[in-house]
Amino acid sequence: DTAVSQTPKYLVTQMGNDKSIKCEQNLGHDTMYWYKQDSKKFLKIMFSYNNKELIINETVPNRFSPKSPDKAHLNLHINSLELGDSAVYFCASSQDGGGQPQHFGDGTRLSIL
Amino acid sequence: TQLLEQSPQFLSIQEGENLTVYCNSSSVFSSLQWYRQEPGEGPVLLVTVVTGGEVKKLKRLTFQFGDARKDSSLHITAAQPGDTGLYLCAGPRGGGGNKLTFGTGTQLKVEL
Repeated sequence: DTAVSQTPKYLVTQMGNDKSIKCEQNLGHDTMYWYKQDSKKFLKIMFSYNNKELIINETVPNRFSPKSPDKAHLNLHINSLELGDSAVYFCASSQDGGGQPQHFGDGTRLSIL
Repeated sequence: TQLLEQSPQFLSIQEGENLTVYCNSSSVFSSLQWYRQEPGEGPVLLVTVVTGGEVKKLKRLTFQFGDARKDSSLHITAAQPGDTGLYLCAGPRGGGGNKLTFGTGTQLKVEL
C-alpha cells in the first residue's frame, strides 16, 4: 500500500496553462505539506496544512492555491504557469507538526514548455 | 534564519570505500533527521537524532549529533552501489510551527 501518493508523476504543459496535482495519504496523519525541489535538489517548503487548515504559506505566489477537502488529501492548483515553475513537487505528511519526521510521495515532475 | 549546510555537495567513490557527510549550522536544533532520496522517488527517513552527542547505527551507517546540537555527521562504512542517492539532513525550525529546514544535500554515487 502506498502511504503518500501523488498524481500525476509527470506533467508537461505550455506556459500560461492551469494545472493541478493531487495528493492523498493513508497514514492517518494530521499534517500535510507541499515542497518544491529545484534543479539543484534544494527542497523548499511551500505550504503546510494541519487537519484541513492552512498553517504555513511560505511566500509562494498566489498563482499557487492549495486545497484540502479532508485531512487525507492536499491538492495543489497552479494558475498561469511560468517557466520558473518547472521543478519536482513533493507532497508529504507527518503525524502532527512541530518538525516530526515526514513521509514523502514520489514527486510530480512539472515541465513548462 | 536557521540554515543547514551540507558538505561535500557531491561525492563519487568506489565500492568498499568509507565516507563521511557533514551537516552544519550556526543554530541549535532540538533534533536532526537524515533522509535518503533515490532518483525518481521522494526522500525517505533514515534516522532521527535527539540528544547532543548521540550516536545511532543503522547497519553500515553511523549517525552522530554534535554535543552542542548544531551539527551532525553521517559515516558510511564499506559503501555499496545501493547507497547511491541524495542525502539530506533536516531539523525543526525554531519558534514552533510545522516547518522542517532541509539541508543543501549531498549527492553520493558509489561505483563498482
